[in-house]
Amino acid sequence: EVQLVESGGGLVKPGGSLRLSCAASGFTFSSYSMNWVRQAPGKGLEWVSSFSSSSSYIYYADSVKGRFTISRDNAKNSLYLQMNSLRAEDTAVYYCARDRQLLQGMDVWGQGTTVTVSS
Amino acid sequence: DIQMTQSPSSLSASVGDRVTITCRASQSISSYLNWYEQKPGKAPKLLIYAVSSLQSGVPLRFSGSGSGTEFTLTISSLQPEDFATYYCQQSYSTRTFGQGTKVEIK
Repeated sequence: EVQLVESGGGLVKPGGSLRLSCAASGFTFSSYSMNWVRQAPGKGLEWVSSFSSSSSYIYYADSVKGRFTISRDNAKNSLYLQMNSLRAEDTAVYYCARDRQLLQGMDVWGQGTTVTVSS
Repeated sequence: DIQMTQSPSSLSASVGDRVTITCRASQSISSYLNWYEQKPGKAPKLLIYAVSSLQSGVPLRFSGSGSGTEFTLTISSLQPEDFATYYCQQSYSTRTFGQGTKVEIK
């Protein structure tokens, strides 16, 4: 079964750090570009970051650029998001999502992990 | 950055109604337009990719059309399980989601 499972969410104080993980199974992880997408409480979806399969590109939303770092370990079938200098507005459910080939949508999603930034 | 604007933000409809949601891009995105459905407490689900291609397992009552900067998602006959929030998303330049359209029961 094709599956993505996120972990690492939790409660953190403003200015703190957190590292999210996404474990992939059931497909050849190294062949796919991967994304992080978040959703603040009661709000819409916001794309956060992408990491291409070939490692030829890494993109970030302006809202997280310079604070978040996406990485992947193809040997461990895992995607990561290192989040530093966290702010209250980073509070959200964070989803890991797989890109279909040729940039045609995100076809596999994890269940999400919740990050709460509060003092 | 490319902005995506959906209309309406919400709509009320009855079972059996034809529903159309519009998505406009701030610049041409060719055919790099995808649609998702999200139900409360659940992860989004890909419905349509590349403007009009139905993702595997998605019912035929869903269809997509458009090109350049204007796109539509149509549900030909709304079913009880279709009450949800729908998002468009461009993948032409990085990624951007529309703000969502909530489809509610009339």
